[in-house]
Amino acid sequence: RKEVEQDPGPFNVPEGATVAFNCTYSNSASQSFFWYRQDCRKEPKLLMSVYSSGNEDGRFTAQLNRASQYISLLIRDSKLSDSATYLCVVNIRTSGSARQLTFGSGTQLTVLP
Amino acid sequence: EAGVTQFPSHSVIEKGQTVTLRCDPISGHDNLYWYRRVMGKEIKFLLHFVKESKQDESGMPNNRFLAERTGGTYSTLKVQPAELEDSGVYFCASSQDAYEQYFGPGTRLTVT
Repeated sequence: RKEVEQDPGPFNVPEGATVAFNCTYSNSASQSFFWYRQDCRKEPKLLMSVYSSGNEDGRFTAQLNRASQYISLLIRDSKLSDSATYLCVVNIRTSGSARQLTFGSGTQLTVLP
Repeated sequence: EAGVTQFPSHSVIEKGQTVTLRCDPISGHDNLYWYRRVMGKEIKFLLHFVKESKQDESGMPNNRFLAERTGGTYSTLKVQPAELEDSGVYFCASSQDAYEQYFGPGTRLTVT
């Protein structure tokens, strides 16, 4: 079983639509949680951190449920520029100050005109 | 502020050769990480430096891979000798604290 599981998609949605991505993680040592976006043949770019209280950044809302080990990302009013692969990422403390990110395989989103 | 930079952007080498990848983190970031994505797989952790010290190298595949960060600034990742399965994109990331990591553009390595 993968440590971070995501629906690979692809999700094809019209402009203006609302789309939601889900992710589950298995390692209870996971300490912090993120959504990254990755454009084709580019590096992952941090989209937002995810907190238990939920957090919002413009059209993007992220939620974390530690009890269920579940993370979500909601994108409202989709734009063509939102087309990318969205990576669910958890930060695991392995020992002392050692940290490592564990990535999901990504969910591909295409916003259609 | 300059982001994480990596050199080269692409490298094509033959099996058995040696390749050295370089990463320059964001200025002031003590934490530096190497990751790798091989074809069709998710991005995987290789190792973590805090300044010049290796904190976690549990993701290094084998002893053909050697990472260094002398002086706690830039880092190099050497693969010697390279094998076909080493092909992939090698990303470097840096962070000021232990949490939000910022990635460089990656080095695309092809071993033929």
